[in-house]
Amino acid sequence: GENVEQHPSTLSVQEGDSAVIKCTYSDSASNYFPWYKQELGKRPQLIIDIRSNVGEKKDQRIAVTLNKTAKHFSLHITETQPEDSAVYFCAATGTYKYIFGTGTRLKVLA
Amino acid sequence: DARVTQTPRHKVTEMGQEVTMRCQPILGHNTVFWYRQTMMQGLELLAYFRNRAPLDDSGMPKDRFSAEMPDATLATLKIQPSEPRDSAVYFCASAGGGMNTEAFFGQGTRLTVV
Repeated sequence: GENVEQHPSTLSVQEGDSAVIKCTYSDSASNYFPWYKQELGKRPQLIIDIRSNVGEKKDQRIAVTLNKTAKHFSLHITETQPEDSAVYFCAATGTYKYIFGTGTRLKVLA
Repeated sequence: DARVTQTPRHKVTEMGQEVTMRCQPILGHNTVFWYRQTMMQGLELLAYFRNRAPLDDSGMPKDRFSAEMPDATLATLKIQPSEPRDSAVYFCASAGGGMNTEAFFGQGTRLTVV
């Protein structure tokens, strides 16, 4: 069945440093890869997404890369700030079914 | 500002009681998901619907959980009987258009079974 693995489960970085979160997926039919951010006590919200016809996408301090051959994709956050502290989820879907990774708790230390 | 609306926001119930959670998807969205989240991590897919038809509910304990969409504006998740291990936050999400579109989450229902 479909599976999405996400690493690391927790990540601490100093303010200003970069953070990288990696995901792998099993379903070769997957062609849409969104990333969600969930702040404490709130709902997950989309921060960036990428489709299979694109290898990289950037939006200000965040970027996502996709390697379809290896079936993995990554979230990169540069110049991290305290407000980046949250839980981040990757997801993969090729049909209507959204499968999420297990989440990464990012802590940005001031 | 279109949003997914879930009710109730919080529910405390005794073990053995029936619990019904409701979700109003964004108008026009025809894919609806139910997720369960424990300990602030992990979004476990319980069930999802496309055009009100259940496409997959394999993530749901069948003996006590049921999910329905009586109409396009309402999705329900029912637990009967509830157990303490069901305590979690239950999120509903909806997506519109074709495949590969953003899923919008509701604020969740925090369920506590004592």
